[in-house]
Amino acid sequence: DAGVTQSPTHLIKTRGQQVTLRCSPKSGHDTVSWYQQALGQGPQFIFQYYEEEERQRGNFPDRFSGHQFPNYSSELNVNALLLGDSALYLCASSLLGSYEQYFGPGTRLTVT
Amino acid sequence: AQSVTQPDIHITVSEGASLELRCNYSYGATPYLFWYVQSPGQGLQLLLKYFSGDTLVQGIKGFEAEFKRSQSSFNLRKPSVHWSDAAEYFCAVYTGGGNKLTFGTGTQLKVEL
Repeated sequence: DAGVTQSPTHLIKTRGQQVTLRCSPKSGHDTVSWYQQALGQGPQFIFQYYEEEERQRGNFPDRFSGHQFPNYSSELNVNALLLGDSALYLCASSLLGSYEQYFGPGTRLTVT
Repeated sequence: AQSVTQPDIHITVSEGASLELRCNYSYGATPYLFWYVQSPGQGLQLLLKYFSGDTLVQGIKGFEAEFKRSQSSFNLRKPSVHWSDAAEYFCAVYTGGGNKLTFGTGTQLKVEL
């Protein structure tokens, strides 16, 4: 049974560019959440998707957007990258209504 | 607003010694609490969780945690630490209305051989 997968593993971008990160949830899960983990910090909730709709959003600007596809996979898009967007981006999947979230290995984004 | 505090940024223990990592939460309703572990360059692995019932919960890798409502705490313990336990540990509280987890800032555990 495949767990949560994310791609790419690492990414280097320049300020002002745009980036797309991808996530495939654990088999059977229908809900995907995205978190940003800056160096030395705990993960911070960005947003959550269910049935291709954004259900809840954390305190992140509109430069951060997402999408969920019919197969439940998800993308995180960040526009106009800033140096401060450098972080590990974690995807977590769950079943709607479940309290347990399963995390992927993350995508390390470096903005130069 | 809900929050999680992990007072210890770094902890060093000798292999074979006991371990306790502290976690305090602030949440108005009954909390659902979690401990996750993160090895370098890896994602988060769930160690254990508390939803209700017995306040002492057992997890994977020999870890346990005790929920104390009066102290708003959910401390993680292990009787005998192994070198492979060196990692970063995060306490988190689930907040209703969207499966959102609020994390503490983490405790980095170093194990001396």
